[in-house]
Amino acid sequence: DAEITQSPRHKITETGRQVTLACHQTWNHNNMFWYRQDLGHGLRLIHYSYGVHDTNKGEVSDGYSVSRSNTEDLPLTLESAASSQTSVYFCASSEIAGVTSTDTQYFGPGTRLTVL
Amino acid sequence: EDQVTQSPEALRLQEGESSSLNCSYTVSGLRGLFWYRQDPGKGPEFLFTLYSAGEEKEKERLKATLTKKESFLHITAPKPEDSATYLCAVQASDSWGKFQFGAGTQVVVTP
Repeated sequence: DAEITQSPRHKITETGRQVTLACHQTWNHNNMFWYRQDLGHGLRLIHYSYGVHDTNKGEVSDGYSVSRSNTEDLPLTLESAASSQTSVYFCASSEIAGVTSTDTQYFGPGTRLTVL
Repeated sequence: EDQVTQSPEALRLQEGESSSLNCSYTVSGLRGLFWYRQDPGKGPEFLFTLYSAGEEKEKERLKATLTKKESFLHITAPKPEDSATYLCAVQASDSWGKFQFGAGTQVVVTP
């Protein structure tokens, strides 16, 4: 069955370190998204991609970067981790919608990141 | 700017006690409204998509409805296994696949 996997599931790091969170999907979806989830804020979009070599900034992109070298993977990098980036991170993917369909997003299990 | 507001923030129900969750939205042209269920420590799980006012979708004890300004998720005769956080998201017609999520409603159903 098609799925999205994220790794690691839990990560503890120190302020200033570079951290990369992995996201891998076997849906063969073109669209991929990274969100962070914090109490009281719901899911907020960090970065997204519509295909290989395409990346775009979301509403909370400062301090994060992504790159898309193939259809299946969209790794999220925290260049210099800060305590404010302690959060739960979710990856999602969706098809390119046709004129009469919408782009249901399917989510991975999440990565809990703690920055000390 | 697109906005999604969910209420209440939390809901505690007795088993069998029906209730409704609200998702009100402001968007420049609605392409779709989505409901997800999220269990603790897990990713959101897709439930429904609603496209136009008047549309309804059902799945077991859950029924979602849509008007031009809001959506309701009705939970009929809930069971403890319906305990979860329910998330609402809207997709604007000019959003190119992006969603705007609400903060969610945490539902606890006690036996």
